[in-house]
Amino acid sequence: DAGVTQSPTHLIKTRGQQVTLRCSPKSGHDTVSWYQQALGQGPQFIFQYYEEEERQRGNFPDRFSGHQFPNYSSELNVNALLLGDSALYLCASSLLGSPTNEKLFFGSGTQLSVL
Amino acid sequence: EDKVVQSPLSLVVHEGDTVTLNCSYEVTNFRSLLWYKQEKKAPTFLFMLTSSGIEKKSGRLSSILDKKELFSILNITATQTGDSAVYLCAVEAGSYGQNFVFGPGTRLSVLP
Repeated sequence: DAGVTQSPTHLIKTRGQQVTLRCSPKSGHDTVSWYQQALGQGPQFIFQYYEEEERQRGNFPDRFSGHQFPNYSSELNVNALLLGDSALYLCASSLLGSPTNEKLFFGSGTQLSVL
Repeated sequence: EDKVVQSPLSLVVHEGDTVTLNCSYEVTNFRSLLWYKQEKKAPTFLFMLTSSGIEKKSGRLSSILDKKELFSILNITATQTGDSAVYLCAVEAGSYGQNFVFGPGTRLSVLP
């Protein structure tokens, strides 16, 4: 049973460029959340997708957008990249309303470097 | 604004020591508190706590929640070098649930 998979694992971009990160959730999960983790900090919530719609959003500018596909996979897009966008981007999947003990299942992340 | 604070931010101990990691929070509509271990990239789940005073245990790790004083502790006994990692505390809050606010983490280094 594959867990959460993210691609690519590493990415180098220059300021002003656009980037797309991809995530496939754990089998059986229907909700995908994206987090940004800067070096030495905890993950910060970007947004969450459920039923192909953005369900919740953290305090991130509109340059950050996303999409969820019918197969529950998701993309995170960041436009007009800034140096401060350099971070580890984590995708986490879950099953909405699940009574199980584990609410967030994380992927290994995409390390984005903006030069 | 929802906030999660962890202390200490870093800790260096020797194998066999016992450590206590702290997490305090101020959030609206508390739902649960989760502990994760992050060794390289993907945080891995340790515990989920929803009720005060009920200790969760897994091997040498244990955790407890105090909803009155708004904090949780994670204990690790007889530490091993493999326990070296960043330990993250996350609080589920908000009206819709599954909105997790993370603390900055505690970086634990266990020396042989």
